[in-house]
Amino acid sequence: AQSVTQLGSHVSVSEGALVLLRCNYSSSVPPYLFWYVQYPNQGLQLLLKYTSAATLVKGINGFEAEFKKSETSFHLTKPSAHMSDAAEYFCAVGRPGTYKYIFGTGTRLKVLA
Amino acid sequence: DVKVTQSSRYLVKRTGEKVFLECVQDMDHENMFWYRQDPGLGLRLIYFSYDVKMKEKGDIPEGYSVSREKKERFSLILESASTNQTSMYLCASSLGPGDRRNTEAFFGQGTRLTVV
Repeated sequence: AQSVTQLGSHVSVSEGALVLLRCNYSSSVPPYLFWYVQYPNQGLQLLLKYTSAATLVKGINGFEAEFKKSETSFHLTKPSAHMSDAAEYFCAVGRPGTYKYIFGTGTRLKVLA
Repeated sequence: DVKVTQSSRYLVKRTGEKVFLECVQDMDHENMFWYRQDPGLGLRLIYFSYDVKMKEKGDIPEGYSVSREKKERFSLILESASTNQTSMYLCASSLGPGDRRNTEAFFGQGTRLTVV
């Protein structure tokens, strides 16, 4: 069975500091992996996705994530946090050939001035 | 751009009412989903549909039903609303699993439902 674990339900960083949001997955087959962002009272917007091409994936708003099979991780990073990055971030896994997605419980990012 | 539209952003309903949440997508996607989002629990799948008139239960289907009479429209029905169904409801759609280039789900803006 697939599962997703996001370490840290709340993360605070200073403006200009590195953002690191952690995601570990379990899957019996090579998965598709996604990061979504949700701003208050909005739906989820795709930040980036991994579909077994390049292991370092670049997304929107300066975010990127690296697929590490040996660590079963797909951590999200951004070199320099901006106030507008304050939001909730969800990691998700999808299984090729199936319809479903499994979401993590989310990490709320707070950016301090 | 793919657009998934949910009919209401905010709803307030009374206990025992039958509630309809509507979702429409404009990209001819086969798959449509209804999720419920609660703090600390992330997104939980209520139902999904992989074709017109086809549906499968997700992880928390109790108290809910769905309808998909047309490919672009997927409705979530609360048969008799209860206070524990107060939540944020998110609709999503995606292409079939065979298209590797477009594997992600696209989400609507959400409906925040309050049952009083």
